Amino acid sequence: LAKTTQPISMDSYEGQEVNITCSHNNIATNDYITWYQQFPSQGPRFIIQGYKTKVTNEVASLFIPADRKSSTLSLPRVSLSDTAVYYCLVGDNGDTGRRALTFGSGTRLQVQP
Amino acid sequence: DAGITQSPRHKVTETGTPVTLRCHQTENHRYMYWYRQDPGHGLRLIHYSYGVKDTDKGEVSDGYSVSRSKTEDFLLTLESATSSQTSVYFCAIGLALDTGELFFGEGSRLTVL
Repeated sequence: LAKTTQPISMDSYEGQEVNITCSHNNIATNDYITWYQQFPSQGPRFIIQGYKTKVTNEVASLFIPADRKSSTLSLPRVSLSDTAVYYCLVGDNGDTGRRALTFGSGTRLQVQP
Repeated sequence: DAGITQSPRHKVTETGTPVTLRCHQTENHRYMYWYRQDPGHGLRLIHYSYGVKDTDKGEVSDGYSVSRSKTEDFLLTLESATSSQTSVYFCAIGLALDTGELFFGEGSRLTVL
């Protein structure tokens, strides 16, 4: 089963760049890597998704090395409102060969003023 | 925001009683998922569905059953609720299994006394 490993928590200050790395050694050829953000009492929200190399959108960048066994979510110039839990997600082969999506334990980012 | 509605949003019940949570979508997405979230465990997949009457087990399926008789509805049933099933339950929908872009509902908080 494809599993992900992330740091449990990270601390940062407003205005800094934050990089959160996720390890996914058993990623399958067809799997995409997706990151979510979750605030307390809310469902997770999609941030960014990629397959290889680098992807950038208006809120984050995602760096994926050639072997795809890890990925790094980069949040530029974080603010207090970026305090949340961040999840890395990859596809997961079930016993039937069909695929489901399993979350890791997430990284709790605390941004200080 | 994606059209996902979970009901009930809050429920308190007693051990041994049956409970059904409903997830309703207006997006016509093929894939639907039920996750539970507990402190220290992140999001764990309970069951998921590939389409009408096509479901599969996730990593924590014991004690839960699901049904999907219509594209828009995915029901999660606890046949005989236990205190260990006290949790927040999230429904999610997606267009494809491999790409990982999911849209989540607001969650249903279940307390089993």
